[in-house]
Amino acid sequence: EVQLEESGGGLVQPGRSLRLSCAASGFRFGDYAMHWVRQVPGKGLEWVSGISWNSGKIAYADSVKGRFTISRDNAKNSLYLQMIRLRAEDTAFYYCAKDTHGDYGGWHFDAWGRGTLVTVSS
Amino acid sequence: SYVLTQPPSVSVAPGKTARITCGGNNIGNKNVHWYQQKPGQAPLLVIYFDTDRPSGIPERISGTNFGNTATLTISRVEGGDEADYYCQVWDSNTDHYVFGPGTKVNVL
Repeated sequence: EVQLEESGGGLVQPGRSLRLSCAASGFRFGDYAMHWVRQVPGKGLEWVSGISWNSGKIAYADSVKGRFTISRDNAKNSLYLQMIRLRAEDTAFYYCAKDTHGDYGGWHFDAWGRGTLVTVSS
Repeated sequence: SYVLTQPPSVSVAPGKTARITCGGNNIGNKNVHWYQQKPGQAPLLVIYFDTDRPSGIPERISGTNFGNTATLTISRVEGGDEADYYCQVWDSNTDHYVFGPGTKVNVL
């Protein structure tokens, strides 16, 4: 069974940093692209960032480009999101999502974690 | 960037058919995927590549995609279908994934 478990969320002050992690199990993690998708409580889904199986292709939403960095460690079956210069509008649930292919681009998400809440507030 | 539109809500009586639209410029030329999200839960893929159903998704749920509108159809609606539904496409111009704003299905 595919399982994705996010961690690292919490309350952080504006301008500070936070690192999210996603632990994957139940599938060959290194074979698939992975993504972060966020959702402001009560609002819709927003794709944040994606990374190909070998980290060769990475992309970011315009809203986070230059502030967020996605990475992965295939040996540890883990996905990460380093977030700096956080803003109040970054407050959201952050979901880790599995792609259906290894290369980045054009596909969809067939498994999701339960999410971790990031709250940016003073 | 590519923009998707969805009605905020759709209300349907049990046993009837719910149709959720997803509008976009020539969306018929793109692959559309649909996700169901129930309160407090993560999204669940229910339709991919316009019409395909993942294993475990009932045949009551189907999809079409023509012209400027993709449609998710839920036949014989049940109380358990009450959820938010999001369409998603890939924007090759920006290399970004795009979600629609979501439609809340209310079962009367």
